[in-house]
Amino acid sequence: QSVLTQPPSASGTPGQGVTISCSGSSSNIGGNTVSWYLQLPGTAPKLLIYSNNQRPSGVSDRFSGSKSGTSASLAISGLQSEDEADYYCAAWDDSLNGPVFGGGTKLTVL
Amino acid sequence: EVQLVESGGGLVQPGVSLRLSCAASGFTFSSYWMTWVRQAPGKGLEWVANIKQDGSEKYYVGSVNGRFTISRDNAKSSLYLQMNSLRAEDTAVYYCARGISSPDYWGQGTLVTVSS
Repeated sequence: QSVLTQPPSASGTPGQGVTISCSGSSSNIGGNTVSWYLQLPGTAPKLLIYSNNQRPSGVSDRFSGSKSGTSASLAISGLQSEDEADYYCAAWDDSLNGPVFGGGTKLTVL
Repeated sequence: EVQLVESGGGLVQPGVSLRLSCAASGFTFSSYWMTWVRQAPGKGLEWVANIKQDGSEKYYVGSVNGRFTISRDNAKSSLYLQMNSLRAEDTAVYYCARGISSPDYWGQGTLVTVSS
């Protein structure tokens, strides 16, 4: 049981947009910034978004993040086949002194 | 180029100990908090432990507190995770990562399998 709640799956067709949600509480998302990771099968997670809506250098601007209250969202525009992966949200948790993660959302590009 | 390379994983029996290492390069290791995150087969990510730049602060997830010890050697740019009294539920790929709240670089991971 993950601390942050994500839908287990999402899907879209090439060129479409898709949004993945992430819900938490006041001790994590509500009081701290959110980050998002992409994980391809058999590889390490890759940072996509940090500080709610900032992209590291090299990350496509098709990826955008937002946060409101105790929830956050990752939006992907112009879906491409290579976007098919698992996506995880994360946020610092004040009660644990560590980051907490969502259970992951498997994105399928139909 | 930032690189994190984990080692030390393997197949062990319940109750034994294992020490994981993470060799860092391409950045000033002593300037960063470091984190261990694990991922059980087919499951999501779980934070395990983190350590401050000088090693003076360490935090653990409840399920490993008292069994695992995180440490670092800044002179060797290395991070460690000593795992004692291993249980079947500790079976996972263990990643070391740079940073604390939104780790930005991750190693490729090392697999720890606890089974009799």
